[in-house]
Amino acid sequence: GAGVSQSPRYKVAKRGQDVALRCDPISGHVSLFWYQQALGQGPEFLTYFQNEAQLDKSGLPSDRFFAERPEGSVSTLKIQRTQQEDSAVYLCASTYSGRNQETQYFGPGTRLLVL
Amino acid sequence: RKEVEQDPGPFNVPEGATVAFNCTYSNSASQSFFWYRQDCRKEPKLLMSVYSSGNEDGRFTAQLNRASQYISLLIRDSKLSDSATYLCVVNISRGLTGGGNKLTFGTGTQLKVEL
Repeated sequence: GAGVSQSPRYKVAKRGQDVALRCDPISGHVSLFWYQQALGQGPEFLTYFQNEAQLDKSGLPSDRFFAERPEGSVSTLKIQRTQQEDSAVYLCASTYSGRNQETQYFGPGTRLLVL
Repeated sequence: RKEVEQDPGPFNVPEGATVAFNCTYSNSASQSFFWYRQDCRKEPKLLMSVYSSGNEDGRFTAQLNRASQYISLLIRDSKLSDSATYLCVVNISRGLTGGGNKLTFGTGTQLKVEL
């Protein structure tokens, strides 16, 4: 596809359930970012990959959040034992190389609702 | 204090009006500056980069004042289709092996253009 894709688009989880969110970046893009956007807020950085290496995970809110990109393309964000405060839109973005001023292309997001 | 601050609005303006959005950022090490547009329930999309010399793209003009750590966006002759949330975004480049091109977003300013 031409853009960043994410799946599922919507996810409803019961509190305590584990969820996995997938991101397919633009083909050939080496940098991949995850952001979390709560209702009425701007996106907030979660983690960053350069190829398969996770170089920054300073934004992950707790050790229940885990991200991986084992082959340097598709990435998965996993949330264990979901809590209501995890309800948000999870956005994935990619750039060709990650250099300064490069445009980040965002996927449509996964809207997670934890009941 | 948030790193990037914006007036959340909403700004309700008639079609054809000129509207200005302002934004301040706290980290003087910020290197790159952007305005993103986000439509309701959609992903953010780059509207324009912002430079100290100012830049214009059609009806949109962006300006950066590094001394005051202040960013602005001016929309002239507003259209109904300009209705969206405008996100002020800054980046502190940490190099490819650091945090990459991690973006810090404001909460967004909502614009509603009315007939």
